[in-house]
Amino acid sequence: AQSVTQLGSHVSVSEGALVLLRCNYSSSVPPYLFWYVQYPNQGLQLLLKYTSAATLVKGINGFEAEFKKSETSFHLTKPSAHMSDAAEYFCAVSRSSNTGNQFYFGTGTSLTVIP
Amino acid sequence: DAGITQSPRHKVTETGTPVTLRCHQTENHRYMYWYRQDPGHGLRLIHYSYGVKDTDKGEVSDGYSVSRSKTEDFLLTLESATSSQTSVYFCATNRQDNYGYTFGSGTRLTVV
Repeated sequence: AQSVTQLGSHVSVSEGALVLLRCNYSSSVPPYLFWYVQYPNQGLQLLLKYTSAATLVKGINGFEAEFKKSETSFHLTKPSAHMSDAAEYFCAVSRSSNTGNQFYFGTGTSLTVIP
Repeated sequence: DAGITQSPRHKVTETGTPVTLRCHQTENHRYMYWYRQDPGHGLRLIHYSYGVKDTDKGEVSDGYSVSRSKTEDFLLTLESATSSQTSVYFCATNRQDNYGYTFGSGTRLTVV
């Protein structure tokens, strides 16, 4: 079975500080991994995805994530937080079946940016 | 996303009544999905479709049914609404395997 665990349901950082949101996955095969962001009262937007090419993946808005197989992790980082980064972030893994791929999401991490 | 429209955006209904939520896409994506979002649970897959008239259950399908009679539309029906189905429902589409979902703006459903 494939699943993801997001450590920390709430993270607070100061504006300009490093953002680190943690995601660990469990998968019996090499996974496809994704990070999504959700702003209040909106749907989810794709930030970045890992599909077994480069292990360091760059996404939108200055975010990046590194796939570490030895640690089964796919943590999301941004060097310098901006007020506009305040949102909920979801890690997701895709599961293959004979009817296509289904995505399974973590429980989310709410990021607060303190001025 | 402008290519996916969910209707209604908000609905309040009474326990025991049937409710249908609609997802309409103009992306011509093959795959469509219904998720519910609840605090502490993230998003959980209800049902999905891998083509016209081709659907399958997700992890929380009890009490829900779906239909897809054409590529553009994916309907989610709560057969007899219960308070535990109060949630925000999101539709998503996928162009191809592992490409990444595109999400609608959600439907906030309250069952009283």
